[in-house]
Amino acid sequence: SSELTQDPAVSVALGQTVRITCQGDSLSSQYASWYQQKPGQAPVLVIYGRNNRPSGIPDRLSGSSSGNTASLTITGAQAEDEADYYCCSRDSSGNHYVFGTGTTVTVV
Amino acid sequence: QVQLQESGPGLVKPSATLSLSCAVSGDSISTSNWWSWVRQPPGKGLEWIGEVFHTGRTNYSPSLKSRVTISVDKSKNQFSLRLSSVTAADTAVYYCARDKVIPGGYYFDSWGLGTLVTVSS
Repeated sequence: SSELTQDPAVSVALGQTVRITCQGDSLSSQYASWYQQKPGQAPVLVIYGRNNRPSGIPDRLSGSSSGNTASLTITGAQAEDEADYYCCSRDSSGNHYVFGTGTTVTVV
Repeated sequence: QVQLQESGPGLVKPSATLSLSCAVSGDSISTSNWWSWVRQPPGKGLEWIGEVFHTGRTNYSPSLKSRVTISVDKSKNQFSLRLSSVTAADTAVYYCARDKVIPGGYYFDSWGLGTLVTVSS
């Protein structure tokens, strides 16, 4: 299967930790990338590779992988982390990208 | 720092062809990167459409392959999207993005702001 499955929504208390998961067969052989998208804005890359953050992305966001599941963890969630998060990888053919279904993170 | 800017009509009639361009600045389109189009229908998730290399080589989403053409114009440092036979289901914000490849993974490191295309008569 070329699909990447994410939980539709999660909530986290301010300052607490939340993990967002992404499941898919393709993730057993490659890393996922993660994108944060706020309303009305373009997606922003937050994690790529094993656990790399672009310049400007806070270190409270981190990535990990196990088997066919990739995870994005927000440690000490802040109000500005409230957003939609999408995982992404190439499919098993290696010629196409697939996006996850997306997870809405609410900070309460 | 690379910047991408989408442009094109915001309204397209059903059964017509949607055409968008993405102007690239801060990087040459002829470098060893692929360049992609991604879309997002209102209130829905992201969908990859396809990508192009500066040689003209392309990869397309299997679900859109029969209707999509992506091309590159090195003289203008831009790449373009054409989507034929559009319907209301093609109404979306269309983004262009730069692909990057590292050992073990792929990602989009730069995105345009996006442009809303509405399919309606």
